[in-house]
Amino acid sequence: AQTVTQSQPEMSVQEAETVTLSCTYDTSESDYYLFWYKQPPSRQMILVIRQEAYKQQNATENRFSVNFQKAAKSFSLKISDSQLGDAAMYFCAAPGEKLTFGTGTRLTIIP
Amino acid sequence: GAGVSQSPSNKVTEKGKDVELRCDPISGHTALYWYRQSLGQGLEFLIYFQGNSAPDKSGLPSDRFSAERTGGSVSTLTIQRTQQEDSAVYLCASSTGVGPTNEKLFFGSGTQLSVL
Repeated sequence: AQTVTQSQPEMSVQEAETVTLSCTYDTSESDYYLFWYKQPPSRQMILVIRQEAYKQQNATENRFSVNFQKAAKSFSLKISDSQLGDAAMYFCAAPGEKLTFGTGTRLTIIP
Repeated sequence: GAGVSQSPSNKVTEKGKDVELRCDPISGHTALYWYRQSLGQGLEFLIYFQGNSAPDKSGLPSDRFSAERTGGSVSTLTIQRTQQEDSAVYLCASSTGVGPTNEKLFFGSGTQLSVL
């Protein structure tokens, strides 16, 4: 069975600082996508960033980037220049016929 | 429509009643997923559809839960004889396909179900 582990239930960061959220996963797939989703209080799941496993280059979307270690099955999210609007639950999702989600990390931004 | 639409947004029901939750996916999306999110928890997979077929029903918690999809579009998740532990947010998502190289799931805003 697929497993996704987010070991940090809660994280906090000062506004404008950098924070890294960790995620490890298990899969037998060789080609796949990995995802980070953000869920603000509105409940809407918003795709933050995705990584294609066959690409060695880490994905980057503006202030969001990933550190993808395929052999270690690690997929962390780095948020640079944190903003108040980044406060949310962040979920890592790993591959398969159905996406398997981690338990989430609640990120708080300290003004 | 422009996005995944779920209705109702909120549903309060009494224990023992049946409820129906509706999901209208993005037009043309063949895959549709249902997830459940209990308070402060992650997303628990319930069921997915490819077209009108449900290849994987493994996540349905009990035989009180059922889902159908008609015309390759709208899906209904039905919970019979609701229990208090069914209280959660039910999220629907759709995508253009399934599998590990599926590029992205598009989510609705969910239905908050409260069983009193």
